[in-house]
Amino acid sequence: EVQLLESGGGLVQPGGSLRLSCAASGFTFSNYVMNWVRQAPGKGLEWVSTIGGAGNTYYADSVRGRFTISRDNSRNTLYLQMNNLRVEDTAVYSCAKDFETSLAPDYWGQGTLVTVSS
Amino acid sequence: DIVMTQTPLSVTLGQPASISCRSNQSLVHSDGNTYLSWLQQRPGQPPRLLIYKISNRFSGVPDRFSGSGAGTDFTLKISRVEAEDVGVYYCMQTARTSRSFGQGTKLEIK
Repeated sequence: EVQLLESGGGLVQPGGSLRLSCAASGFTFSNYVMNWVRQAPGKGLEWVSTIGGAGNTYYADSVRGRFTISRDNSRNTLYLQMNNLRVEDTAVYSCAKDFETSLAPDYWGQGTLVTVSS
Repeated sequence: DIVMTQTPLSVTLGQPASISCRSNQSLVHSDGNTYLSWLQQRPGQPPRLLIYKISNRFSGVPDRFSGSGAGTDFTLKISRVEAEDVGVYYCMQTARTSRSFGQGTKLEIK
């Protein structure tokens, strides 16, 4: 059974940093494209970042230069390092894996809440 | 960046429903595939993949859900709406390295 479990969220002041983790199980982690998607309270889904199995990375304009996605295939874990956080980064952050080569996210974690506030 | 626009929806139980999604650029990838997906998010739950590459139903998705379209205009159809279909539906493009979602369509029952 595929499982994705996010951790690392919390309350942080503007300008601060957090590192999110996503522990994956139930599939061969290194073979799959992985994503971070966020959802602000009461709002829609917003794509944040994607990383390929070989480590190629892609970012939304709103986070490029501040967030870094990475993966440790030996630990089956996906990361999101978030620096210089802004109030507008407040959201539930979820990791999701792509379905084979469909470029569509098929399994999602429950998410971890990041609150940026002074 | 590709911007995805969806239409609102209010339907009657047992009746068909249709959700539209339009992109401001073609979603045809350089490999010839069109990477447009549909996801459903029920209240309090993570999103669920329904349809990928325009019209391919994901495993376990009821056959009352179908997808169609091409280029920049896409549609998700529900042949007969059931109470469990209540939620927000998102189209998502992954044709470009910068992915994007539509703003979401909330399916409400009249």
